[in-house]
Amino acid sequence: NFMLTQPHSVSESPGKTVTISCTRNSGSIASSYVQWSQQRPGSSPTTVIYEDDQRPSGVPDRFSGSIDTSSNSASLTISGLKTEDEADYYCQSYDYNKQVFGGGTKLTVL
Amino acid sequence: QVQLVQSGAEVKKPGSSVKVSCKASGGTFSTYPVSWMRQAPGQGLEWMGRIIPILGMANYAQRFQGRVTITADKSTNTAYMELNSLTSEDTALYYCAVDTSIPYWGQGTLVTVSS
Repeated sequence: NFMLTQPHSVSESPGKTVTISCTRNSGSIASSYVQWSQQRPGSSPTTVIYEDDQRPSGVPDRFSGSIDTSSNSASLTISGLKTEDEADYYCQSYDYNKQVFGGGTKLTVL
Repeated sequence: QVQLVQSGAEVKKPGSSVKVSCKASGGTFSTYPVSWMRQAPGQGLEWMGRIIPILGMANYAQRFQGRVTITADKSTNTAYMELNSLTSEDTALYYCAVDTSIPYWGQGTLVTVSS
């Protein structure tokens, strides 16, 4: 079993760029896909990145995902921040036939 | 695009069971894994288990093993999650999601356990 570790919170100003990390503690980050979900207050999660770096239709291209094998981590980058991006973000990956979630990162846009 | 609609909120007594449903529309349901997660108040997401409806086989997170049962009815495109021996610590929002490579989530079902 492995764990995914995210920063508890990040904050940035509108129009800026923020990157949220998701570090895997054992096994390679490249061994299974990483998904990122956005959860606005009072709403259910929605997928903003799937298969490491793919965006579902309807998700703005301000959202991008990547993995870095040297740091064994995945990243979600949001550019041109808007107040509507303020939400909790969760990374998720697979451990054989089980799913593992990161603890979530609260993004504040102020 | 798959849409998932979950059953309504439940209030249960400690020691009882709850069964939450998740009905899919707008896409092929039976060949993709359907997972169940929960989110306690103010907490993060926790994976509980999943099923591939066409196979009918479920697997569970170790901490829920023996207390949760996930099933699926291919004829109605509906998945179910039943949790037994409820305690106040099971009070949470319960979500289903279908992983069609793009995970699609249900709207969540609030389960409150209170005497």
